[in-house]
Amino acid sequence: SQQGEEDPQALSIQEGENATMNCSYKTSINNLQWYRQNSGRGLVHLILIRSNEREKHSGRLRVTLDTSKKSSSLLITASRAADTASYFCATAAPDDKIIFGKGTRLHILP
Amino acid sequence: GAVVSQHPSRVICKSGTSVKIECRSLDFQATTMFWYRQFPKQSLMLMATSNEGSKATYEQGVEKDKFLINHASLTLSTLTVTSAHPEDSSFYICSSVSGVRPDTQYFGPGTRLTVL
Repeated sequence: SQQGEEDPQALSIQEGENATMNCSYKTSINNLQWYRQNSGRGLVHLILIRSNEREKHSGRLRVTLDTSKKSSSLLITASRAADTASYFCATAAPDDKIIFGKGTRLHILP
Repeated sequence: GAVVSQHPSRVICKSGTSVKIECRSLDFQATTMFWYRQFPKQSLMLMATSNEGSKATYEQGVEKDKFLINHASLTLSTLTVTSAHPEDSSFYICSSVSGVRPDTQYFGPGTRLTVL
């Protein structure tokens, strides 16, 4: 079920910098979701963006969706140490089947 | 990459019956497994965290007596939906975390449950 591609696989940035993660997918979708996973914990839902939306904001998070390129990006602005986690994108197909990417491991350096 | 399987992939049952869903990590030992539920057009909802050899930890609002979780080995966790009702119809997905790599998880393909 992990057919999406996230890049980079791992990202280390200084606290305060912006972090950008990308996700590409292959099939048509109803929506695309971004999740965060802290080490050893379950997924936490961040943002859901529908296929007819191009951009969505939530606090320091900004998600874009380009259905023509079958790609999405997650931007975290003014990163904090607490943002250190793995980030996954997931696409929901028209039949509601959800497919996950392999995740990006983000490490915020103090 | 790591492989997680779920069985069955799709199940249709009558109201009142119990359904068991298996989640297996095929090529690694999963110290922790998670069970999620997805309603149509919505995001995943974490139901419970399952650690091998101990009782599962359920999220608030999830009935432990209705959704029985057993994690008897490092490669198998089961979710049993007891006395299923139509409102339990959903997509159930598991994921596994390796003790070696707790910063990532591997997802099963999901099980679509339809209760008539």
